[in-house]
Amino acid sequence: DAGVIQSPRHEVTEMGQEVTLRCKPISGHDYLFWYRQTMMRGLELLIYFNNNVPIDDSGMPEDRFSAKMPNASFSTLKIQPSEPRDSAVYFCASTRDAMGETQYFGPGTRLLVL
Amino acid sequence: GESVGLHLPTLSVQEGDNSIINCAYSNSASDYFIWYKQESGKGPQFIIDIRSNMDKRQGQRVTVLLNKTVKHLSLQIAATQPGDSAVYFCAENRANQGGKLIFGQGTELSVKP
Repeated sequence: DAGVIQSPRHEVTEMGQEVTLRCKPISGHDYLFWYRQTMMRGLELLIYFNNNVPIDDSGMPEDRFSAKMPNASFSTLKIQPSEPRDSAVYFCASTRDAMGETQYFGPGTRLLVL
Repeated sequence: GESVGLHLPTLSVQEGDNSIINCAYSNSASDYFIWYKQESGKGPQFIIDIRSNMDKRQGQRVTVLLNKTVKHLSLQIAATQPGDSAVYFCAENRANQGGKLIFGQGTELSVKP
């Protein structure tokens, strides 16, 4: 199994630009999670999906952030417009069952907003 | 409040020694716990997990202990190797919150040769 795949691995953009992060979960996993990691705040859950449906987006910082999962094998996290404080590592994770099953993480996307 | 926290942000050990990383949690409804290892530039990697109906679980060179009375979790690494150098996170699965995974702040383990 290829594991969770994320792209791009690195993204440098200017403030105000739109940023789109992509994730392909492990095949057969019904749950997909988006996390953000910073030195100050650690790992934060932004949003998660079950069977392509958003279940909890309470961690999404503000309206500039949006996430979609059009099918079982693809999800996007979009920031529009981006700001320097959005600079972080964004991880996608997937699992078969959110209740008592391990989440498997992708390699992350390192975002730098100038 | 609800939190998962680590007692020590950094831990330095000699190669070959045993390492112990501690974690406290506050939600008695949590029923599943995971330890992750994160190396520089990589995503968190699963090490070992334990359910609340157990108090000990062993893997290859790693052991997790769960004390539900004091809401404490620990990760023991036997014969620590340089490759074990990383940040270790405990994570708490809260069944009463839709299975959210709540991460501790992390402990950086440094292994001296």
